[in-house]
Amino acid sequence: AQTVTQSQPEMSVQEAETVTLSCTYDTSESDYYLFWYKQPPSRQMILVIRQEAYKQQNATENRFSVNFQKAAKSFSLKISDSQLGDAAMYFCAYRSAGLNSGGSNYKLTFGKGTLLTVNP
Amino acid sequence: KAGVTQTPRYLIKTRGQQVTLSCSPISGHRSVSWYQQTPGQGLQFLFEYFSETQRNKGNFPGRFSGRQFSNSRSEMNVSTLELGDSALYLCASSSGQIVGNTIYFGEGSWLTVV
Repeated sequence: AQTVTQSQPEMSVQEAETVTLSCTYDTSESDYYLFWYKQPPSRQMILVIRQEAYKQQNATENRFSVNFQKAAKSFSLKISDSQLGDAAMYFCAYRSAGLNSGGSNYKLTFGKGTLLTVNP
Repeated sequence: KAGVTQTPRYLIKTRGQQVTLSCSPISGHRSVSWYQQTPGQGLQFLFEYFSETQRNKGNFPGRFSGRQFSNSRSEMNVSTLELGDSALYLCASSSGQIVGNTIYFGEGSWLTVV
């Protein structure tokens, strides 16, 4: 079974500065997807960024970028020019992509989350 | 385009009762999945349905069940409620036809068991 670990329960950053959230995962699969979701106080999960494991290039979405290290099974999220609206719980998630994954490619496996505070 | 809609948003039930939660996916989406979120266990996968068929089920007791209708709307049911079932239940949808399709979440149903 796959596991996702977020070792930072809480992080804080000053507005306009950069912060990096860590995520490691454990899997024996070679084909999978990784995601960062944001959960603001409204509790709706919002997709921030996704990475396909077969792609070597790190994904980028505006101020959000990832550092994907497949061999190290590491998937960190960098938020540049942090804004007050970035304050939320951030979850790292894994999803199998292989055809023979026993149905596990229909579910997301989440880490415990990192609570990000943005200070004005 | 409307997002994933969950009803009811908040509810309080008594131990031993049962509850049914409803989820309407994004129009055109045929895959619906359910997650339980608690402070202690975090986000845990309950089950996933595609075209009325359950494709995967998480490690939850048989008290937790679900179904999907022909219009892709889904319901989950929890029978004989326990205090530990108090949680935020999140529903998510995707087209379901390609594994990499983005999964979109609703705002959740808050269940409190007293």
